[in-house]
Amino acid sequence: DIQMTQSPSALSASVGDRVTITCRASQTILTYLNWYQQKPGKAPRLLIYAASSSEGGVPSRFSASGSGTHFTLTISDLRPEDFATYYCQQTYDTVITFGQGTRLDIK
Amino acid sequence: QVQLVQSAAEVKRPGTAVRVSCRTSGYPFTNNDIYWVRQAAGQGLEWMGWINPNSGNSGYAQRFKGRVSLTRDIVTATAYLEFSSLRSEDTAIYYCARVGSPTSKLDSWGQGTLVTVSS
Repeated sequence: DIQMTQSPSALSASVGDRVTITCRASQTILTYLNWYQQKPGKAPRLLIYAASSSEGGVPSRFSASGSGTHFTLTISDLRPEDFATYYCQQTYDTVITFGQGTRLDIK
Repeated sequence: QVQLVQSAAEVKRPGTAVRVSCRTSGYPFTNNDIYWVRQAAGQGLEWMGWINPNSGNSGYAQRFKGRVSLTRDIVTATAYLEFSSLRSEDTAIYYCARVGSPTSKLDSWGQGTLVTVSS
């Protein structure tokens, strides 16, 4: 199975900050990479698909890039509603795998 | 709008089985695969398998093969997860999600069903 490793596992930031989360794949996944946001008690929400394309309705402060094995999700000008857990997901392989998640807390 | 509505929480004894339903609406049910994903308390997301509602074909993560069965009812636009030989470590929230294109993005999710396995 393709292993997805996110870093950091947890991150503290303040409203207005810019943060970047990294996701690395154990082998190339081209751009078969999606990003999700999950808040406590809620289902995940799709933010980014195909490594860098924003899902409809996602604020422009969320951006992402990458290909192959290295991917990033950047959130600019953090808002209070952005404090959540973020997951990357690869769909290159028939066995789908997620990163372990990055928890973004308010400093 | 697209909606996936799951069945209510369940409490099950070890060794028994559970069936979780995922009723869809707002789109042609047979147009999109459905994935099932679970999440234990305080843990990350774990993909369990997929079903193609049109053909009924399905695939499973290796660790769930033999214990999980994914089915669907086209008439009611509902997908089902049946999980047998339950263990305490299967206690988790189970989600269904619609698979979109490209990159098999999960663009709509059910609200989740908590399955508690306890003696």
